[in-house]
Amino acid sequence: AQTVTQSQPEMSVQEAETVTLSCTYDTSESDYYLFWYKQPPSRQMILVIRQEAYKQQNATENRFSVNFQKAAKSFSLKISDSQLGDAAMYFCAYRSTNTGTASKLTFGTGTRLQVTL
Amino acid sequence: DAGVIQSPRHEVTEMGQEVTLRCKPISGHDYLFWYRQTMMRGLELLIYFNNNVPIDDSGMPEDRFSAKMPNASFSTLKIQPSEPRDSAVYFCASSPPPGAGAALFYNEQFFGPGTRLTVL
Repeated sequence: AQTVTQSQPEMSVQEAETVTLSCTYDTSESDYYLFWYKQPPSRQMILVIRQEAYKQQNATENRFSVNFQKAAKSFSLKISDSQLGDAAMYFCAYRSTNTGTASKLTFGTGTRLQVTL
Repeated sequence: DAGVIQSPRHEVTEMGQEVTLRCKPISGHDYLFWYRQTMMRGLELLIYFNNNVPIDDSGMPEDRFSAKMPNASFSTLKIQPSEPRDSAVYFCASSPPPGAGAALFYNEQFFGPGTRLTVL
């Protein structure tokens, strides 16, 4: 079974600065998807960014980018120019491409990000 | 599209009562998921459906929990009888089928706003 580990329960960043959230995972599969979800106080789960394991290029979405290290099974999220609205819980998630489990998301325990003035 | 709709948003009930949570997936999505979020256990997948058929219910904690999807636009998660340890936020999510036109979204699940359940 796949596992996802987020070793940073809480992080803090100053507005306009850059912060990196860590995520590692364990799998025996070679093809899969990885995601970062954001959960603000409203509780809504919002997809921030995704990465296909077969792609070597790191995904980017505006101020959000990932550092995907497949051999190390590491998938960190970098937030540049942090804004107050980035304050939220961030969840790393794994999704298999195997037919039997293709649709299941396995989540990490989350990292609570605080953004300070 | 209005997104995934869940009701109620908040539910407070007493131990032993039956609780029914409802979900309306995004039209055209043929996968539907029920998740539970607690401080202790994080986000857990309880069950998911494909084309209204339950595919994997291994995450359902015990027989007190049941889920149905009578049609493509409606699903329920029922807890009977409820217990205080069932207190959590319950999320419903839906996902479109893979294939041409939807391939871009094949791997994305769209979440509803959640139902916060408190069992006293």
